Amino acid sequence: EPEVTQTPSHQVTQMGQEVILRCVPISNHLYFYWYRQILGQKVEFLVSFYNNEISEKSEIFDDQFSVERPDGSNFTLKIRSTKLEDSAMYFCASRSRGSNTEAFFGQGTRLTVV
Amino acid sequence: AQTVTQSQPEMSVQEAETVTLSCTYDTSESDYYLFWYKQPPSRQMILVIRQEAYKQQNATENRFSVNFQKAAKSFSLKISDSQLGDAAMYFCAYRSLLMDSNYQLIWGAGTKLIIKP
Repeated sequence: EPEVTQTPSHQVTQMGQEVILRCVPISNHLYFYWYRQILGQKVEFLVSFYNNEISEKSEIFDDQFSVERPDGSNFTLKIRSTKLEDSAMYFCASRSRGSNTEAFFGQGTRLTVV
Repeated sequence: AQTVTQSQPEMSVQEAETVTLSCTYDTSESDYYLFWYKQPPSRQMILVIRQEAYKQQNATENRFSVNFQKAAKSFSLKISDSQLGDAAMYFCAYRSLLMDSNYQLIWGAGTKLIIKP
């Protein structure tokens, strides 16, 4: 069964460092998403990506964040200069065309900023 | 803007019994999707069940079923014959069908389900 794959599963980084979280969506999917979940809190939408551009982003997704789909398969989330409050679980999701299709989630990357 | 509310931070149930998790939502849209996701300790997000708002029939997946009350904007999850492996956080989520929503999910705060052996 096809699945969304995220790497690494756990990343520890020093405050101020850049970090790249990687996702391989399901191959025929067209919509891509990043969500984050701070420990003990609800899941929050960060950004959606379609047709090689950001289609929507939340207030959380400020200039420190960027996304890219460099090679047609990977979908990455970059945090330029990490802060302690960026520590969270980051989920990638993808879905195929159509309003009735569901999103499939990766297993998440736990980011710890120290 | 749509909101999703889960008013039970934690629920516990005896193994083999039935438990119901509550979810209410607010929207002005007439058509949408509702989901229940399970997040076990591994923290992966697993889809449990989904309901299309235009369908009157409640969705069912094995031991999991929903009670969808569209007028009341209520979407509860019933787990029958609870098993130890059901222990997890359960999130209720809403998704618009409008294209300009980019079909993002709007999440409730979650309910932690504890299964007592």
